[in-house]
Amino acid sequence: EVRLVESGGGLVKRGGSLRLSCEGFGFTFNDAWMSWVRQAPGKGLEWVGRIKSKADGETTDYAAPVKDRFIISRDDSKHTLYLQMNSLKSEDTAIYFCTTSDLWGPGTEVSVSS
Amino acid sequence: SFELTQPPSVSVSPGETASITCSGDKVGDKFVFWYQKKPGQSPVLVMYQDNKRPSRIPERFSGSNSGNTATLTISGTQAMDEADYYCQAWDSNTGVFGTGTKVTVL
Repeated sequence: EVRLVESGGGLVKRGGSLRLSCEGFGFTFNDAWMSWVRQAPGKGLEWVGRIKSKADGETTDYAAPVKDRFIISRDDSKHTLYLQMNSLKSEDTAIYFCTTSDLWGPGTEVSVSS
Repeated sequence: SFELTQPPSVSVSPGETASITCSGDKVGDKFVFWYQKKPGQSPVLVMYQDNKRPSRIPERFSGSNSGNTATLTISGTQAMDEADYYCQAWDSNTGVFGTGTKVTVL
């Protein structure tokens, strides 16, 4: 079955760190450009960042609100995408989805307490 | 910065046509994607590269993009189409989502 599964969400204090993971199944993970998208409570979808495939340079791009705080990486040997979140703010509270664009995980919830 | 603006809400009667617009500066020069989002569920891609429909998406969904406006059209709208819809485009390697439109099937 083709799917993505996120993990690693939870409750963290403001200023803290958290690492999310996203494991892919049933497709050629190595070739996929992967993105993280989030949705804060009662808000719309917000693009967080993207990592290209290794063949395309494994370059990363980030949205302005998370640039210099979040880091996206991948381990193709484990079919896993990561989102390292540092210096977390209350406005980072959201459900975080990993996606290839046409395939989405169920999301993992991150809550930042003040 | 590049922004995509959608109407907050669209109401449609069952069987009628719903049109959801996505406005942005020269958005017609970019590829637009559309996502359907229902509460408690993951987003679903319903249109990619302006007017290409994934195989699992019903034919009643169609898309267009020209000038400063992209449009998602749902013909013969059904109750199951009630959801939030988001357009998305890429601007200089940055993903941008539209503000979202809540489609209500009355």
